[in-house]
Amino acid sequence: NAGVTQTPKFQVLKTGQSMTLQCAQDMNHEYMSWYRQDPGMGLRLIHYSVGAGITDQGEVPNGYNVSRSTTEDFPLRLLSAAPSQTSVYFCASSYSSGVRSDTQYFGPGTRLTVL
Amino acid sequence: AQTVTQSQPEMSVQEAETVTLSCTYDTSESDYYLFWYKQPPSRQMILVIRQEAYKQQNATENRFSVNFQKAAKSFSLKISDSQLGDAAMYFCAYRSAAFGNEKLTFGTGTRLTIIP
Repeated sequence: NAGVTQTPKFQVLKTGQSMTLQCAQDMNHEYMSWYRQDPGMGLRLIHYSVGAGITDQGEVPNGYNVSRSTTEDFPLRLLSAAPSQTSVYFCASSYSSGVRSDTQYFGPGTRLTVL
Repeated sequence: AQTVTQSQPEMSVQEAETVTLSCTYDTSESDYYLFWYKQPPSRQMILVIRQEAYKQQNATENRFSVNFQKAAKSFSLKISDSQLGDAAMYFCAYRSAAFGNEKLTFGTGTRLTIIP
């Protein structure tokens, strides 16, 4: 049981480049989400998914795309990277019972720098 | 919209002493969850403790306990017998209990330093 995994751990991009941050979980969790962490601002929700084929926007979705084709994977795409997207990105997942939801568990994070 | 406020950017405590981290939140909901997450230098977000708003009893996990004051919308974390491994950023977080509303709202964090 690996929990929530993220790749890569570190990435440097040039402005305008695209890339995909990978997230996978092996706990059969329905709910998955992406957060970004900036200094002094805590974590903010980018996008989330309540199940395969269903995604929705969070607090700061601009510049990011997501898809959820399987329960296990929830990749985050940056279509044209900007310096403002320099941040640490966390993926999280939880089991939603349909009545009361469970605690979210976080991946190890990806530190992204956009030059 | 819900907000979470951590008014102590930094705290320090002597090893083996007790420290309390403060958190207040604002919500119009009656049913929700509150969490404390720890983020050590490794960057991993680690769940420390969780409180369900409908439970009057304060949650405890070994040396970690909370003081949950629902009417005051206050949720402080007490760390007893502080250890060097407790040094980290601590984040308070709120989540609605409504199904489908899984979003976590975080405070800005408190950096805890343990003095040997």
